[in-house]
Amino acid sequence: KNQVEQSPQSLIILEGKNCTLQCNYTVSPFSNLRWYKQDTGRGPVSLTIMTFSENTKSNGRYTATLDADTKQSSLHITASQLSDSASYICVVTRGSQGNLIFGKGTKLSVKP
Amino acid sequence: DGGITQSPKYLFRKEGQNVTLSCEQNLNHDAMYWYRQDPGQGLRLIYYSQIVNDFQKGDIAEGYSVSREKKESFPLTVTSAQKNPTAFYLCASSWSGRYQETQYFGPGTRLLVL
Repeated sequence: KNQVEQSPQSLIILEGKNCTLQCNYTVSPFSNLRWYKQDTGRGPVSLTIMTFSENTKSNGRYTATLDADTKQSSLHITASQLSDSASYICVVTRGSQGNLIFGKGTKLSVKP
Repeated sequence: DGGITQSPKYLFRKEGQNVTLSCEQNLNHDAMYWYRQDPGQGLRLIYYSQIVNDFQKGDIAEGYSVSREKKESFPLTVTSAQKNPTAFYLCASSWSGRYQETQYFGPGTRLLVL
């Protein structure tokens, strides 16, 4: 079954600390993997996109990694800010037809 | 929100009533999408359109209808046949609908049942 599992479900960290969010997938065939940030009550905004051959990609303080062999991805946030409080959604594209499989997201709260 | 607007922000539906959610984009994108988001669930695709006057059902199309008469507009109607319509509805667009492309999302419409 094509699934995207994210962990943890929620996370609370102090401002300035680093954190890592996990995404495991069983989607096949794999095309690409995206991380989106969704503020409460808003639409998701793309952070990174990685294909099979890419194993790391950065966007400012956000760094995504991909291990296509183990079918795992992580999103590392450095020096967290209050504005990082949001849900982070992992999305895997399946096959040439481009079906998107969405994870349920990790809700991150950054406290002062 | 990348040039995609959705209205209204909140919508209330009475039992048996059809309601229409608006989605407009000025990005000149060919492809547009409608998703439904429920608490604790991943986004699910309702309908998508890769070109004007053509659209395809997604994973959960029952109880919904769409039209694509103009490139920039992709309205979603939630019909009375949709028995559990309370959710957050997100519209998205991309250049041509190819799987490599990033989808850009609108701000969403929250639909509540009275």
